[in-house]
Amino acid sequence: ETAVFQTPNYHVTQVGNEVSFNCKQTLGHDTMYWYKQDSKKLLKIMFSYNNKQLIVNETVPRRFSPQSSDKAHLNLRIKSVEPEDSAVYLCASSSLGGSAETLYFGSGTRLTVL
Amino acid sequence: AQSVTQPDARVTVSEGASLQLRCKYSYSATPYLFWYVQYPRQGLQLLLKYYSGDPVVQGVNSFEAEFSKSNSSFHLQKASVHWSDSAVYFCALRLSGSFNKLTFGAGTRLAVCP
Repeated sequence: ETAVFQTPNYHVTQVGNEVSFNCKQTLGHDTMYWYKQDSKKLLKIMFSYNNKQLIVNETVPRRFSPQSSDKAHLNLRIKSVEPEDSAVYLCASSSLGGSAETLYFGSGTRLTVL
Repeated sequence: AQSVTQPDARVTVSEGASLQLRCKYSYSATPYLFWYVQYPRQGLQLLLKYYSGDPVVQGVNSFEAEFSKSNSSFHLQKASVHWSDSAVYFCALRLSGSFNKLTFGAGTRLAVCP
């Protein structure tokens, strides 16, 4: 099956802990993304990688760091979580070439910070 | 800066009725425009996209959208909705050369009543 896979589906943790989310795509794409979706469903891009190189880095707190081992994997680490980090984190992938490439999304990781 | 506005946070229609979900964008040139749908506990899926040519684009599940440069709009339409269309719908734009970085609207939650 070709798709975007995210683990875990849910994660509950306490303020100050470190968390790590995994994302893998089997679509053969060269570009991957992390989006944050808040409780009001607002979506904002956080990072984008093309062939393991960071190409988009929006203004996010330094405690967030993406990690890419190859073009099929893009993980997200949060060093010391805070309550406002509670959200759904969506991973996506696409091909970079072309004029209007489709993004394919995973089902998300829901983070709850107590 | 570019932006996307979806003026209706929630829309309720009866099954079999026609549907229009509104989307307005702000950008000096013509961007690439997309409609995505998010079903409960899932990631986003592409419905359709526009980047040039015929202003009426056809998408999956009998959805279509009409681009209007004069109105800076990209409204989504469907002639007859089904209860399974209940979901959150997002309009998004991408600027040329922006590495597939999508700017999303706030979303419209559609409820289809039997």
